[in-house]
Amino acid sequence: SQTIHQWPATLVQPVGSPLSLECTVEGTSNPNLYWYRQAAGRGLQLLFYSVGIGQISSEVPQNLSASRPQDRQFILSSKKLLLSDSGFYLCAWKTSFATDTQYFGPGTRLTVL
Amino acid sequence: QKEVEQDPGPLSVPEGAIVSLNCTYSNSAFQYFMWYRQYSRKGPELLMYTYSSGNKEDGRFTAQVDKSSKYISLFIRDSQPSDSATYLCAMNDYKLSFGAGTTVTVRA
Repeated sequence: SQTIHQWPATLVQPVGSPLSLECTVEGTSNPNLYWYRQAAGRGLQLLFYSVGIGQISSEVPQNLSASRPQDRQFILSSKKLLLSDSGFYLCAWKTSFATDTQYFGPGTRLTVL
Repeated sequence: QKEVEQDPGPLSVPEGAIVSLNCTYSNSAFQYFMWYRQYSRKGPELLMYTYSSGNKEDGRFTAQVDKSSKYISLFIRDSQPSDSATYLCAMNDYKLSFGAGTTVTVRA
């Protein structure tokens, strides 16, 4: 069966510091991978998605970047965090079949102080 | 106008009641419809998935899709305190679009 991992689970960082969140998927090959941010009461905002190694699409231009160095690894980064980057970050995966849906990881709660 | 509209609630019901949740959407290209359940401080988990108009039942949960009205619903029968969570509707063409989520509390 497939599993998705995210770490760290929680993170408190000062403004201006760098960020690296990691997501890995087990039990599947060539998944589509997604990064979302969830703010309280505002639903899920798609940040980036990737259909293959090195292929990144950005949905919302902002202070963040994403990379996919390996087939089942997806990384969310920032060089300098802003207060507005605080939120709950979720990674998700799906197969390449259009009819399939997305499955989410446990999330990382980021607080920028 | 958002592509997907969902009343954020909160919704509070007594144990055993029927919970009724709904979403409306504007994009006729949406073909697949999902409901996710999200417990506090956890990632969303897929609850129901359907791609046609009509009803789909899974235990105490029924998902209903009306494409002509661009309206989807989720019903929870015999609600339990363990059903207390935020419920997110989602639908896709080439990417998923989510509702804001409805927070449900089932009182024992």
